[in-house]
Amino acid sequence: EILMTQSPATLSVSPGESATLSCRASQSVGSNLAWYQQRPGQAPRLLIYGASTRATGIPARFSGSGSGTDFTLTISSLQSEDFAVYYCQQSNDWSMYTFGQGTRLEIK
Amino acid sequence: EVQLVESGGGLLQPGGSLRLSCAASGFTFRNYAMSWVRQAPGKGLEWVSTISGNSAATYYADSVRGRFTNSRDNSKNTLYLQMNTLRVDDTAVYYCAKDLTSSWGGGPWDWGQGTLVTVSS
Repeated sequence: EILMTQSPATLSVSPGESATLSCRASQSVGSNLAWYQQRPGQAPRLLIYGASTRATGIPARFSGSGSGTDFTLTISSLQSEDFAVYYCQQSNDWSMYTFGQGTRLEIK
Repeated sequence: EVQLVESGGGLLQPGGSLRLSCAASGFTFRNYAMSWVRQAPGKGLEWVSTISGNSAATYYADSVRGRFTNSRDNSKNTLYLQMNTLRVDDTAVYYCAKDLTSSWGGGPWDWGQGTLVTVSS
């Protein structure tokens, strides 16, 4: 099983600033990495796939990078609606998709 | 517009059975792999199962293999999750998810709104 580790667990940032979230895989997943946003009481929403491709309708302030084992989600100029929990997920192993434990982005 | 509407959740006792459904619309259902993902209260996301568009391939998490069955009826645009021998730790919101581009799997996913399953004595 590929383990996904996200850091930090909680990130406090002021609106208008940037946030950098990290995700590390226990073995290479190539570029088969997605990021999801989950607001309270809502279903997850796809933000980024293929490590760096924004999903349809996702603002340009969201960007993803990385390959292999180390990945980053950067959110620039944070808006109030961006404060949520973010999950990374690997899809390199189709027999066992795995998620990171999540990073909670909170208002500072 | 892709729409995924889960139903069938509820409260039941350990050892019981339940079948969840996911009604899909807004896309050609048979052309996409479909998955179930769950989230225990206050916890993170856990993949449960994926089924290919033609039902030829099905994958399960170790935690549910042998107890849960993922199936689909392409004539009804509906995905199912038959859950047997339920345990307290199966308590979660269960989400139905559509593969973005593939009929075989590989993600990523678009998600439904979820249905809550509570297993408690």
